[in-house]
Amino acid sequence: GDSVTQMEGPVTLSEEAFLTINCTYTATGYPSLFWYVQYPGEGLQLLLKATKADDKGSNKGFEATYRKETTSFHLEKGSVQVSDSAVYFCALRGDAGNNRKLIWGLGTSLAVNP
Amino acid sequence: GAGVSQSPSNKVTEKGKDVELRCDPISGHTALYWYRQSLGQGLEFLIYFQGNSAPDKSGLPSDRFSAERTGGSVSTLTIQRTQQEDSAVYLCASSLTTGLVNEQYFGPGTRLTVT
Repeated sequence: GDSVTQMEGPVTLSEEAFLTINCTYTATGYPSLFWYVQYPGEGLQLLLKATKADDKGSNKGFEATYRKETTSFHLEKGSVQVSDSAVYFCALRGDAGNNRKLIWGLGTSLAVNP
Repeated sequence: GAGVSQSPSNKVTEKGKDVELRCDPISGHTALYWYRQSLGQGLEFLIYFQGNSAPDKSGLPSDRFSAERTGGSVSTLTIQRTQQEDSAVYLCASSLTTGLVNEQYFGPGTRLTVT
């Protein structure tokens, strides 16, 4: 079945460092791909998404490109801030038939130090 | 406008008791989803509703779990004869429709602890 694998955390960076969180997936067809973020004490929020190959999702300085050839959707940010400290989840949504559920990675905790 | 709300925010129950978890979706959202977030397990899908019907219940772990939605709005997730392995954060999400591009908006979750 469909699955998502993302790099394990925790990831600890200094402010203004470059961030990459790897995400790869297994799915048939053409899934949609998502990054969600969970800030401390808050609910899950959609960070960005991409619905077809080569699409780039971007928001708040974060970017991820849907790479079908490598089945990847890595999250990147050029210069992280303390306020980016959160747990990041990669997820996919299959395109087959009745499939409407999100399949999730395990989450990657990011801590950014000043 | 108001987001997705869930109640209670925390629930501690004894093993063997039944519990009901409630979700109020965003007004006008026809699709509603339940997920479970367990320590070390990540997020797992339980069930989703389109209107009042549930086209996909494949994630419900056992027949102790059931859910209903009435009036195309509020949903209740019921766990009968709770077990310790049911301890988790139960998340509800809603979206405008079940269309593939529709964002799912999440509630704050109900933290269930079974003692």
